[in-house]
Amino acid sequence: NAGVTQTPKFQVLKTGQSMTLQCAQDMNHEYMSWYRQDPGMGLRLIHYSVGAGITDQGEVPNGYNVSRSTTEDFPLRLLSAAPSQTSVYFCASSPTAGTHYEQYFGPGTRLTVT
Amino acid sequence: TQLLEQSPQFLSIQEGENLTVYCNSSSVFSSLQWYRQEPGEGPVLLVTVVTGGEVKKLKRLTFQFGDARKDSSLHITAAQTGDTGLYLCAGEFSGGYNKLIFGAGTRLAVHP
Repeated sequence: NAGVTQTPKFQVLKTGQSMTLQCAQDMNHEYMSWYRQDPGMGLRLIHYSVGAGITDQGEVPNGYNVSRSTTEDFPLRLLSAAPSQTSVYFCASSPTAGTHYEQYFGPGTRLTVT
Repeated sequence: TQLLEQSPQFLSIQEGENLTVYCNSSSVFSSLQWYRQEPGEGPVLLVTVVTGGEVKKLKRLTFQFGDARKDSSLHITAAQTGDTGLYLCAGEFSGGYNKLIFGAGTRLAVHP
């Protein structure tokens, strides 16, 4: 059981480039989300999805797009990378969108934008 | 300004010592979760507290949710080097559909 997987592990982009961070889970979880983690700021929610075909914005959505065509996959797209998007990105999943459920996190993608 | 304030930011102690870390807010949460994160990995859930005043124990770790559901504490008894890591609290609002608000974390280093 792989849980939540993320690729790539590390990425360096130039300002203005675009890329997609991949996230997949094999636990048949309905709920998936993307966070970014910056020093001194904790994890902040970027986008989330309560099921295939349904996505919504979190706390810091600007500059990012998501889609959820299958239950398993939830890619995060950076449209035009900026240095302010240098961060560690975590994908998480949860069995349902109900409250009090544990979120299972992937290992993260460390992104540097120069 | 962080909605959830964690203190202290950093803690360096010797093996065998006791410690308490705190998670405080002016907001009321329907539940509060504690996660531990090790370098290069994602956070892993330790516990969820739901009821005001609730106390949960996980071996040497004791978690308490404040009566008013605005704050929480994590107490570790006889710390071990394996307790080293970043401890994060995350609050969930009523009807929040898993939209957690995270604190910035307490980084704990336990030395032999």
